[in-house]
Amino acid sequence: DGGITQSPKYLFRKEGQNVTLSCEQNLNHDAMYWYRQDPGQGLRLIYYSQIVNDFQKGDIAEGYSVSREKKESFPLTVTSAQKNPTAFYLCASTRGSGNSYEQYFGPGTRLTVT
Amino acid sequence: AQTVTQSQPEMSVQEAETVTLSCTYDTSESDYYLFWYKQPPSRQMILVIRQEAYKQQNATENRFSVNFQKAAKSFSLKISDSQLGDAAMYFCAYRSALRGSQGNLIFGKGTKLSVKP
Repeated sequence: DGGITQSPKYLFRKEGQNVTLSCEQNLNHDAMYWYRQDPGQGLRLIYYSQIVNDFQKGDIAEGYSVSREKKESFPLTVTSAQKNPTAFYLCASTRGSGNSYEQYFGPGTRLTVT
Repeated sequence: AQTVTQSQPEMSVQEAETVTLSCTYDTSESDYYLFWYKQPPSRQMILVIRQEAYKQQNATENRFSVNFQKAAKSFSLKISDSQLGDAAMYFCAYRSALRGSQGNLIFGKGTKLSVKP
């Protein structure tokens, strides 16, 4: 089945450690996105990539980094510089920009940093 | 910058009845897309319905329909014959239609819908 996988579902880390969240899609989509969801905040854009080897900062990129070495993969690293990393992280993909194509979402990763 | 506002943090509906969730947005663009996404307790985001701004006809998908008022920048979701499985967070979202745009969705803060048996 085509879709987006995110692993792990739950992740626990100590403060000061970097952690990488996985996102893989087999939909052959060009564009991929990372969103952060906090209670009462909706979803906010962290980073996006419209093509392999290129990515752009979203609205809340500070303390995060990404890579896009393969079309299928768009991992997100939460660095120790992120002041409040505990949140629910959603990865999404779509065929491209400027269209009404559905944006597909992965099941999400709940990150808890203590 | 575009913004999306959902003024109802929580709503409640009796099973089999109808409920309307409100959404307003702000944009200077003339062409764009609007979406309603559902997030059940599993937290998987599911597309409910979409609307192209250039279409005057309101979108419908089975029990779900929208009231799109472009001049008023309003995009409400009506759920008819509500079912227990409709209980979820509902997010209204905006997406630019400009070529070369980021392509991301801009979300409202959500409305939590409860369905009473």
